Amino acid sequence: GQQLNQSPQSMFIQEGEDVSMNCTSSSIFNTWLWYKQEPGEGPVLLIALYKAGELTSNGRLTAQFGITRKDSFLNISASIPSDVGIYFCAGPMGGGSNYKLTFGKGTLLTVNP
Amino acid sequence: EAQVTQNPRYLITVTGKKLTVTCSQNMNHEYMSWYRQDPGLGLRQIYYSMNVEVTDKGDVPEGYKVSRKEKRNFPLILESPSPNQTSLYFCASSTGADHGYTFGSGTRLTVV
Repeated sequence: GQQLNQSPQSMFIQEGEDVSMNCTSSSIFNTWLWYKQEPGEGPVLLIALYKAGELTSNGRLTAQFGITRKDSFLNISASIPSDVGIYFCAGPMGGGSNYKLTFGKGTLLTVNP
Repeated sequence: EAQVTQNPRYLITVTGKKLTVTCSQNMNHEYMSWYRQDPGLGLRQIYYSMNVEVTDKGDVPEGYKVSRKEKRNFPLILESPSPNQTSLYFCASSTGADHGYTFGSGTRLTVV
């Protein structure tokens, strides 16, 4: 099936550093979603993007919908220890009655205090 | 509190013994879905449902069944579990896939 390629697979950073991660697809997406999963919990939606070129922020998080509609980026500024978790990009494939949400394999973020 | 509730949180079972993982949402969402999460593979969709009595296969439906007799409930059924179904399972609901899913807290299943 359709795949989302997410990179990097993991990051180990110092508290206070900025973080960037991205997601690419071989197909066009009309929506990009970014989720965060903390240990022992289900993923939680952080940001939703609906328009090519759109830049949306949620606190220290900023995500962008790529102009080609085949990629998206998530940035975290001034990281803190509670940013630790797995970050997933996701997008719905299909249309009409065939909506499915496909996820990337995730970026594992570790923040060293 | 708006939430997706799945039970049990942890389950250890033996190969071939039928089991059901329940899922319920209190947000009146039309869309519901089941995912499994495995190391290195991320989240893969098993089945999804667009409304009552309307279900469709995701990317990894083999060995699973679902039903959607009521809007709030979407149980996952493993008729004859096998060790390769050992995984972390998530139920999720949404007003539409492009609005993002709300996930439950997960069910960790071990099949021995």
